[in-house]
Amino acid sequence: DVVLTQTPVSLLISLGGQASISCRSSQSLVHSNGNTYLHWYLQKPGQSPQLLIYQVSNRFSGIPDRFSGSGSGTDFTLKISRVEPEDLGVYYCLQRTHNPLTFGSGTKLEIK
Amino acid sequence: QIQLVQSGPELKKPGESVKISCKASGYTFTDYAMHWVKQAPGKGLKWMGWINTYTGKPTYADDFKGRFVFSLEASASTANLQISNLKNEDTATYFCAREDSSWAYWGQGTLVTVSS
Repeated sequence: DVVLTQTPVSLLISLGGQASISCRSSQSLVHSNGNTYLHWYLQKPGQSPQLLIYQVSNRFSGIPDRFSGSGSGTDFTLKISRVEPEDLGVYYCLQRTHNPLTFGSGTKLEIK
Repeated sequence: QIQLVQSGPELKKPGESVKISCKASGYTFTDYAMHWVKQAPGKGLKWMGWINTYTGKPTYADDFKGRFVFSLEASASTANLQISNLKNEDTATYFCAREDSSWAYWGQGTLVTVSS
């Protein structure tokens, strides 16, 4: 199975600051069709995960441009600029290039 | 708008069974597969498998073969997850999620608590 290693485990960021979360895969996430199926989610307390970024770098509808995704192959990053109070929660990466689908273990973002 | 609405929380005893539903609206149900994801209390997300909503064929992740059954009521645009012979470790929130290029649409989750 593909292992997604997320770092750091937790982040303490000041309002207005920048956060960076890494998601490293145990194998390449490039699908045979050329697409890379690596997504990023935010799960706020008591809610279902909400999609932020799909296929590495595409912001989902309604997601502010403070959120950006980058990377390729096995190494991916989610950046959050100008952190706001509503950004707190746990961030997960998901790969669906290979079966079984796997999630990263999560990064908890707390606001100073 | 696209919505996935799941059934309410369940409290069950070990050895009992539970059936969770996920009702879809706002799109043609049979056009998109449905996935199931487990989240134990305070833990991360684990993919359980998926069901082809057109053919009804389920596919299970290795850890979810045997006691877990995905099914459909296509006429009601509903996907179901049934867990039999419940164990304490089945205590979790279960989410349904629609398969598409973005994997954006999730149900609100159903908490299943297994306790004697």
